Amino acid sequence: NAGVTQTPKFRILKIGQSMTLQCTQDMNHNYMYWYRQDPGMGLKLIYYSVGAGITDKGEVPNGYNVSRSTTEDFPLRLELAAPSQTSVYFCASTRGVLAGGYQETQYFGPGTRLLVL
Amino acid sequence: AQSVTQPDIHITVSEGASLELRCNYSYGATPYLFWYVQSPGQGLQLLLKYFSGDTLVQGIKGFEAEFKRSQSSFNLRKPSVHWSDAAEYFCAVGGGATNKLIFGTGTLLAVQP
Repeated sequence: NAGVTQTPKFRILKIGQSMTLQCTQDMNHNYMYWYRQDPGMGLKLIYYSVGAGITDKGEVPNGYNVSRSTTEDFPLRLELAAPSQTSVYFCASTRGVLAGGYQETQYFGPGTRLLVL
Repeated sequence: AQSVTQPDIHITVSEGASLELRCNYSYGATPYLFWYVQSPGQGLQLLLKYFSGDTLVQGIKGFEAEFKRSQSSFNLRKPSVHWSDAAEYFCAVGGGATNKLIFGTGTLLAVQP
């Protein structure tokens, strides 16, 4: 299994451009997440999804959009890129929450480095 | 508010020395606690996790962590550090129906020969 894959690995955008960061998982996980990682700040949750057709905002959703039309894919869209969106973006997935509240492990992709100039 | 604090931004240890990375959390419900490691340019890999039961949990690569509810802590330890352990370490707390994680700001570990 490939696990969680992300494309592209690296991208440079000009201010105002748009792009989609791709995330795919082959583990049949219901839950998927997008995080951004900034130096010294840890990871912040942007959006998450608990199943196809269901998405919700995380801690830092402004400037981003998501969709979840299939179980496997969870793309992140930047409509008008801004320098503040320069970051490393990680996608993660998990089976979710099992019986008794058991929290499954989140598995992370390798990340996409985005530079907005 | 839910939060995770990793008070040490950088730590340098000598190869073969013991290691302890600190993590304190604030969480309203039963916490589910995780330690992840990130090598340069890589994604995050799970080292270990605590859900319930024995408060001392064993993970991969010889790491262990101890959950102390009274101190709201989940410190990571390793008795003898190897040069390949140089990386950034993140503590995280999760829970609830959506399995969202809250991460600490990370501790960067350097290993001296």
